[in-house]
Amino acid sequence: AAGVIQSPRHLIKEKRETATLKCYPIPRHDTVYWYQQGPGQDPQFLISFYEKMQSDKGSIPDRFSAQQFSDYHSELNMSSLELGDSALYFCASSLKHGNYEQYFGPGTRLTVT
Amino acid sequence: SQELEQSPQSLIVQEGKNLTINCTSSKTLYGLYWYKQKYGEGLIFLMMLQKGGEEKSHEKITAKLDEKKQQSSLHITASQPSHAGIYLCGATHPGNNNDMRFGAGTRLTVKP
Repeated sequence: AAGVIQSPRHLIKEKRETATLKCYPIPRHDTVYWYQQGPGQDPQFLISFYEKMQSDKGSIPDRFSAQQFSDYHSELNMSSLELGDSALYFCASSLKHGNYEQYFGPGTRLTVT
Repeated sequence: SQELEQSPQSLIVQEGKNLTINCTSSKTLYGLYWYKQKYGEGLIFLMMLQKGGEEKSHEKITAKLDEKKQQSSLHITASQPSHAGIYLCGATHPGNNNDMRFGAGTRLTVKP
């Protein structure tokens, strides 16, 4: 069965650079979630989108923005990168908005040097 | 402080033994999710519980949600090395269905 696809899988950036992470949800899933997992930490919810509109906002820094496109894929844009942004970034998708199973992608490991 | 408390933080068991991981919320839950994560990899969805008293099983893993919907347990029967990993409980709360909060995780090691 198709799963959530994230690209790239690994990314190395320098401080103050920008990065764009991409997420392709499971086919027919219309809701996308972004999470950040720091080293040794549990995932922290950043933001979610339903039908191309932002539905919930968590602890996403102002330097980050995200959007969901007409084909339901989503992109997380990160600017003015800081060392503390180094983390695993997960995207999850669910079939419908609300309390449905969230299926996670393999993650993008971002390293900021 | 964590909204979701998981215990134990780590667990080492001999292959074939049973084990239980607990997850307690300070607030009434809307949905309780169990995930498994191998180090540095994605989260694998295991089970979701919504109703008080609900119990679900998948292969040798059983998860329960208490009647008050504030505590869940994950039980593994006859553990195998393939069960090793980090088990995370995640929860959504009424009025905040999309913002899933996670516990700190339980690191399970199964010795052959």
